[in-house]
Amino acid sequence: SAVISQKPSRDICQRGTSLTIQCQVDSQVTMMFWYRQQPGQSLTLIATANQGSEATYESGFVIDKFPISRPNLTFSTLTVSNMSPEDSSIYLCSVGQGAGEQYFGPGTRLTVT
Amino acid sequence: ILNVEQSPQSLHVQEGDSTNFTCSFPSSNFYALHWYRWETAKSPEALFVMTLNGDEKKKGRISATLNTKEGYSYLYIKGSQPEDSATYLCAFEDGNSGYALNFGKGTSLLVTP
Repeated sequence: SAVISQKPSRDICQRGTSLTIQCQVDSQVTMMFWYRQQPGQSLTLIATANQGSEATYESGFVIDKFPISRPNLTFSTLTVSNMSPEDSSIYLCSVGQGAGEQYFGPGTRLTVT
Repeated sequence: ILNVEQSPQSLHVQEGDSTNFTCSFPSSNFYALHWYRWETAKSPEALFVMTLNGDEKKKGRISATLNTKEGYSYLYIKGSQPEDSATYLCAFEDGNSGYALNFGKGTSLLVTP
């Protein structure tokens, strides 16, 4: 299994600002994903982070709002831009190596005031 | 968005009780069904990945069954312990999702001594 860390673990941000979340994996992985869980809702996929190319976004999520970088096979960032209170969520990265288990980071708990 | 439903939403049992939860998912284009345990402030922990109709998997006191034809999976916990308290998530993986997971909202389990 992969060991995944995320920074920051939590943050409180003001409306209109941006926050960049980092995801670091202890081994090279093929796939990295970003999810969020809004209060009372399911974990929802935001995008697949592709190494060396633009991320693939799910319906309802756009690059301008959630820019993603993936410079190599062990690291990715997700930025939450121009935040509003509706962006208050837990943001998680996950990794996978094809069919089978996916492993999750501990999450970033974001509160937007 | 694929509809994954979990029931009950929450459950409170006494130590030593056995319990079970349900996950229902689309029965078409099935690829895999994942179960996770998520404790507060920790990473979701992968419990099972199930791919074959009729699959039964076991990990200690926890087991799961899968029926892909009718689109449901059961998770069983035998002799619940306080350390089993967590949110249990199921996630459906379809053949077109590129390994991305579609989660239910989870079942929150509280086991009291």
